Amino acid sequence: KAGVTQTPRYLIKTRGQQVTLSCSPISGHRSVSWYQQTPGQGLQFLFEYFSETQRNKGNFPGRFSGRQFSNSRSEMNVSTLELGDSALYLCASSWGGSDYNEQFFGPGTRLTVL
Amino acid sequence: KNQVEQSPQSLIILEGKNCTLQCNYTVSPFSNLRWYKQDTGRGPVSLTIMTFSENTKSNGRYTATLDADTKQSSLHITASQLSDSASYICVVSAKQAGTALIFGKGTTLSVSS
Repeated sequence: KAGVTQTPRYLIKTRGQQVTLSCSPISGHRSVSWYQQTPGQGLQFLFEYFSETQRNKGNFPGRFSGRQFSNSRSEMNVSTLELGDSALYLCASSWGGSDYNEQFFGPGTRLTVL
Repeated sequence: KNQVEQSPQSLIILEGKNCTLQCNYTVSPFSNLRWYKQDTGRGPVSLTIMTFSENTKSNGRYTATLDADTKQSSLHITASQLSDSASYICVVSAKQAGTALIFGKGTTLSVSS
């Protein structure tokens, strides 16, 4: 069974640009969650999608958005990039909601904002 | 405020030795607690998930304990190996609608030969 895949793996952008990251969950998983990981803050929850609906949202500004498609694939978008958005962005999938079910993480997308 | 705190922040041990990592949480109402292992440059991998009624759970050389009364958990690693060098993250889920998982900042373990 293929694991969670994320594309691209590395990305370099400049301030003010926007970026879209993609996540393909494990086949059969309906929940996809997104996280930001930085050395200072650790892992922080961005949002979770379940069956194309946003189930929960973390404490991030509106520049961070996401969506989930009917095949459970998910994208997250960050608009008007800031230097502080440089981070590892991880997505995780689970069969059911992330609060009760084991999550499987992808390798992450390393975003650098210059 | 829901928080998860881990100690120590970092730890260095010799190969073959045992170690214990700590996790204290203030998340309420409690649903479950997880331990993840994250190798450098990779996504976290689940080690254990424990609900309120579980006191101990093992996964090979990893044994997690949970004391829901004191809101403490520990992860014990037996006979450490070089491949155990990683960050270990404690995560707590609260039992409420639309909840998010609350992550600790992790303990960085280095196993040396």
